[in-house]
Amino acid sequence: DSGVTQTPKHLITATGQRVTLRCSPRSGDLSVYWYQQSLDQGLQFLIQYYNGEERAKGNILERFSAQQFPDLHSELNLSSLELGDSALYFCASSVLEGRTDTQYFGPGTRLTVL
Amino acid sequence: AQTVTQSQPEMSVQEAETVTLSCTYDTSESDYYLFWYKQPPSRQMILVIRQEAYKQQNATENRFSVNFQKAAKSFSLKISDSQLGDAAMYFCAYRSDSTSGTYKYIFGTGTRLKVLA
Repeated sequence: DSGVTQTPKHLITATGQRVTLRCSPRSGDLSVYWYQQSLDQGLQFLIQYYNGEERAKGNILERFSAQQFPDLHSELNLSSLELGDSALYFCASSVLEGRTDTQYFGPGTRLTVL
Repeated sequence: AQTVTQSQPEMSVQEAETVTLSCTYDTSESDYYLFWYKQPPSRQMILVIRQEAYKQQNATENRFSVNFQKAAKSFSLKISDSQLGDAAMYFCAYRSDSTSGTYKYIFGTGTRLKVLA
């Protein structure tokens, strides 16, 4: 158990809908990262937050948005869903201090768009 | 831009034997970090081992060790005494060093390891 929690574990929805994925980082971790993993693919970095502020953006679609709240949990919002958005969405957290910073991953949320 | 390449989509190893998974990367930076993550069928991403580029000594974690060749930009993972529980997808990852607090992680496409009984 990495200490990172994600809810829900599974989500099934229809095209055109909007969903929210939630992530709670490990205690003490200020930074949260979101990744998308499509079937049998590697991880695609979406976005990073640090202490409530956006720090880095990767290949995140305009239909997707995220935020990190004062209690440091983060939410990833996916709207106007398409079939191709079906994937495993991971959240990872890290302390983001110094050179030894390492990400720890949550169990992921499996999104299925029908 | 940095890239991470895992050229072996799938590998097999006999139980108790040793296997090496390959990873190469491309970067113009001199200081960075490299990681191996394991993803078992549960799909959980588990950190296996980490290597700092400024350290010449290869990292070791129990049965897992790396062969880090900075000049060749190579970072292979050796698993000794392979166990059935080692069967998983293994991802190599690169993280740039940053003074601004923005760390960019780049993952390879993964190598699926099968362990044969």
